[in-house]
Amino acid sequence: DAKTTQPPSMDCAEGRAANLPCNHSTISGNEYVYWYRQIHSQGPQYIIHGLKNNETNEMASLIITEDRKSSTLILPHATLRDTAVYYCIVRGDPNDYKLSFGAGTTVTVRA
Amino acid sequence: EPEVTQTPSHQVTQMGQEVILRCVPISNHLYFYWYRQILGQKVEFLVSFYNNEISEKSEIFDDQFSVERPDGSNFTLKIRSTKLEDSAMYFCASRIIYEQYFGPGTRLTVT
Repeated sequence: DAKTTQPPSMDCAEGRAANLPCNHSTISGNEYVYWYRQIHSQGPQYIIHGLKNNETNEMASLIITEDRKSSTLILPHATLRDTAVYYCIVRGDPNDYKLSFGAGTTVTVRA
Repeated sequence: EPEVTQTPSHQVTQMGQEVILRCVPISNHLYFYWYRQILGQKVEFLVSFYNNEISEKSEIFDDQFSVERPDGSNFTLKIRSTKLEDSAMYFCASRIIYEQYFGPGTRLTVT
């Protein structure tokens, strides 16, 4: 699996968009980019995933660069409840979807 | 919305004792996982399970660990003889296609 690099932490103002970067320069053509988050000590929560195209769902948007070497998760209107550790994970093996979590980005949303 | 459930939420046991952690995955899911997170550390993959057999396991998942799907709904993780270093949050997850859905976790404390 491709390795990912994320900033260790970032702050965001409540109500503003939070843009979380992820670098995955060694990603291969069949690997997907997944985003999960973990609020305090709860179980990780799936946010979104994508292969090449930008994706949007009710939680967030995922923007993947054309060369696929980096991506950005966008939380459009951050709330205090979005304070969490956000993980960018690259997965490709269709027969095995175990997730390899790194340290992620600790996002603190401030009022 | 369907969710993964885990019991108990907190288990305290003495070193050397056997523990069984229980999970009820989402009903139409086919792939099942156990992860653990030692306090302050990353979420680590333990084992994946599909079609009533282990599909992959990590180095952590040694002979002291076993998994079972005893009926159509439960998925269990057994630790035969607990050690102090087994103290952690244990998360169960299930998936049908791409995204994994995690349970709230069981906090295991070995004294």
